[in-house]
Amino acid sequence: DAMVIQNPRYQVTQFGKPVTLSCSQTLNHNVMYWYQQKSSQAPKLLFHYYDKDFNNEADTPDNFQSRRPNTSFCFLDIRSPGLGDAAMYLCATSRTANSGANVLTFGAGSRLTVL
Amino acid sequence: GQNIDQPTEMTATEGAIVQINCTYQTSGFNGLFWYQQHAGEAPTFLSYNVLDGLEEKGRFSSFLSRSKGYSYLLLKELQMKDSASYLCAVVDSNYQLIWGAGTKLIIKP
Repeated sequence: DAMVIQNPRYQVTQFGKPVTLSCSQTLNHNVMYWYQQKSSQAPKLLFHYYDKDFNNEADTPDNFQSRRPNTSFCFLDIRSPGLGDAAMYLCATSRTANSGANVLTFGAGSRLTVL
Repeated sequence: GQNIDQPTEMTATEGAIVQINCTYQTSGFNGLFWYQQHAGEAPTFLSYNVLDGLEEKGRFSSFLSRSKGYSYLLLKELQMKDSASYLCAVVDSNYQLIWGAGTKLIIKP
């Protein structure tokens, strides 16, 4: 089945210790997104790639970086995690970006705990 | 600013009907989504409305009134597996997706 896979599902790190979360997709979608979601809050878009074009949200901290080495993979790097970065990180894909009927397909998420 | 409002939590009984409301104020409108999210899992697509009216899909229906900035998700014949959060999201004039915080639906036997 075509899908979006995130690894790891659960990540525990220490304050300030870098973390990399990965996302892969078999849908061949052009757009890949990274969202941060804290408990009982709306998903917050961090950035997205349209093919190789990187689009950073204005309020995404510099502590968060992303890489998309090819169509199938996308990585989220948190350079120096703080306690406030503990959250669920959701990867999503879509066929296109500038469309109203743009359905997102999400991965199962990576839950980050910062000690 | 852009805003999506949904009730934080609702409780309903198995077999009953529940309506989850969503009101929005956004810069432009290019459609409204409902997603279902079970605890600790990814959101999954339920419905998309861009024109006024009711869209029915099995036990789930979604309604939109653009003039009122209002939508609802109607769930019929509730099952225990419907216990989840339901997220409303609006596509604005720049095709940005504006998310609500979600409504946690608790189903009781």
